[in-house]
Amino acid sequence: GAGVSQSPSNKVTEKGKDVELRCDPISGHTALYWYRQSLGQGLEFLIYFQGNSAPDKSGLPSDRFSAERTGGSVSTLTIQRTQQEDSAVYLCASSAGTYNEQFFGPGTRLTVL
Amino acid sequence: QKEVEQNSGPLSVPEGAIASLNCTYSDRVSQSFFWYRQYSGKSPELIMSIYSNGDKEDGRFTAQLNKASQYVSLLIRDSQPSDSATYLCAVKYGGATNKLIFGTGTLLAVQP
Repeated sequence: GAGVSQSPSNKVTEKGKDVELRCDPISGHTALYWYRQSLGQGLEFLIYFQGNSAPDKSGLPSDRFSAERTGGSVSTLTIQRTQQEDSAVYLCASSAGTYNEQFFGPGTRLTVL
Repeated sequence: QKEVEQNSGPLSVPEGAIASLNCTYSDRVSQSFFWYRQYSGKSPELIMSIYSNGDKEDGRFTAQLNKASQYVSLLIRDSQPSDSATYLCAVKYGGATNKLIFGTGTLLAVQP
C-alpha cells in the first residue's frame, strides 16, 4: 500500500504485560515518528528517527518505553510492564523532503486493563 | 514551554458558510505550520501546510500565516457537513528536531 501501516489496530493487555506496536512507513520516507493520543487530548510526541542518526527520544514518558527502527524502515515501539495510564492511541507518522510534511498511519488503540 | 493554542470549540457553522479556525503559537523561531483534519475514531489527515507569511489556497481551504503575530488560521469556504471534524494545528519549531507540537484541536460542526 501507499500509506503508513500499523499493527495491530487494537491491543488489549493486562497491567504489567509487555506490548509491541509495529509501524511500516511510506516507502522511501527517511523520517519516522511515534506519537500518542489519549482520550480527549492532543497528540504527544514520543520519539523520532531520521535516517542513520541517533533518534530523538525526548518525548518518551518513562524508561518503560523504547523504540527501534531496523534497516531504516520498519519501527517497533515497546512498552514494558504496561500501566493503565498507557492506554491511548499510538500513532506513527513518516515524512520525506525538506518541508517535513508528516503522514499518519491508522494508529494502534492500546487498552491496559 | 513551547505551546500551540486552539479554541476547543465546538465551532458551529451553517452549510455553505465560511468556517474560520485559529491557532497561536509561542515560539517566534517556528518554521513550518500544518493543519490536520481528524474525524472521530480516525487518525489525523494532512490538509494544508504553510511556511511563509501570507495566504495559501488549495481548493476550498485557505491557510493564513502571520509570523509577527504568531498566528495561523484555516478558512474553509462553502462548508459541507462532511467537513465536520476536529482540526489540529501543528507547528515545527526551529532547531534540529523535526517533531511537531500539536494543539488540542478545534471541533467543527457544519449544520445542514
